[in-house]
Amino acid sequence: DVKVTQSSRYLVKRTGEKVFLECVQDMDHENMFWYRQDPGLGLRLIYFSYDVKMKEKGDIPEGYSVSREKKERFSLILESASTNQTSMYLCASSSGQAQEPQHFGDGTRLSIL
Amino acid sequence: QKEVEQNSGPLSVPEGAIASLNCTYSDRGSQSFFWYRQYSGKSPELIMSIYSNGDKEDGRFTAQLNKASQYVSLLIRDSQPSDSATYLCAVNEGSNYQLIWGAGTKLIIKP
Repeated sequence: DVKVTQSSRYLVKRTGEKVFLECVQDMDHENMFWYRQDPGLGLRLIYFSYDVKMKEKGDIPEGYSVSREKKERFSLILESASTNQTSMYLCASSSGQAQEPQHFGDGTRLSIL
Repeated sequence: QKEVEQNSGPLSVPEGAIASLNCTYSDRGSQSFFWYRQYSGKSPELIMSIYSNGDKEDGRFTAQLNKASQYVSLLIRDSQPSDSATYLCAVNEGSNYQLIWGAGTKLIIKP
C-alpha cells in the first residue's frame, strides 16, 4: 500500500511566522501535490512537482513556496503566515503514469493565530 | 475552464438501499476517473477508478462511465451507516497528471 506521511496532524502558529509542512511518500512516486481544503471551497491545488527540484504553481500559489530536494519528500512553506491560511492541508502523491490516482496523507490542520 | 460538477447534497438514503452519486465533467480529453470517500475531518481515500465506458464493480461499489455523455456515477448497494461521508469525483486533465476535483456530495445513510 502507498504510504504518504505528513509530519503533523495539528499545528498552531502565529501570524508572520515561517511555517514548514513536510510530506514523505514511500512508493517512489514521481508526482507530489499540495492542496488546501476549506469548507464550501473544495480541494484547491497550491503547488505540485513532477520530479526532484521541479515545481509548478497550482491554482492558489500566493503566499506559499515548495521544496523538493529528494524524490520522496515535498515540503510546503508558508513564508509569512496569515490568518487566511488557516486550513486543512493535504499532501498527495501519484506515479509517473498519467492514468494513476493520487494517494493522500492524513492531512495537517493548521491554525494561524 | 475545465470543471467537474457534483450535487452537493446532502443525499439521504435509508440503510440497505442503493445510493446513487453522480458527476459530470467538461474535458472531453479526460481518460481517468476516480471516486474518493472523505469522512469528516479526514483525508480523501480512493475507493474506485474507472477508465473505460461501462460498469466496474468492486464489492458493494459500482462505478459507471459514459464518455459520450461526459458522465460518471457511483452506486453503493446495501448502504450502511458507515458509508455516510462526502464522496469526491476526480477526473484527470487530458494527458496531464493533475486531477480536476468536484466539490463533493455529502451522503447520509439513515439507520
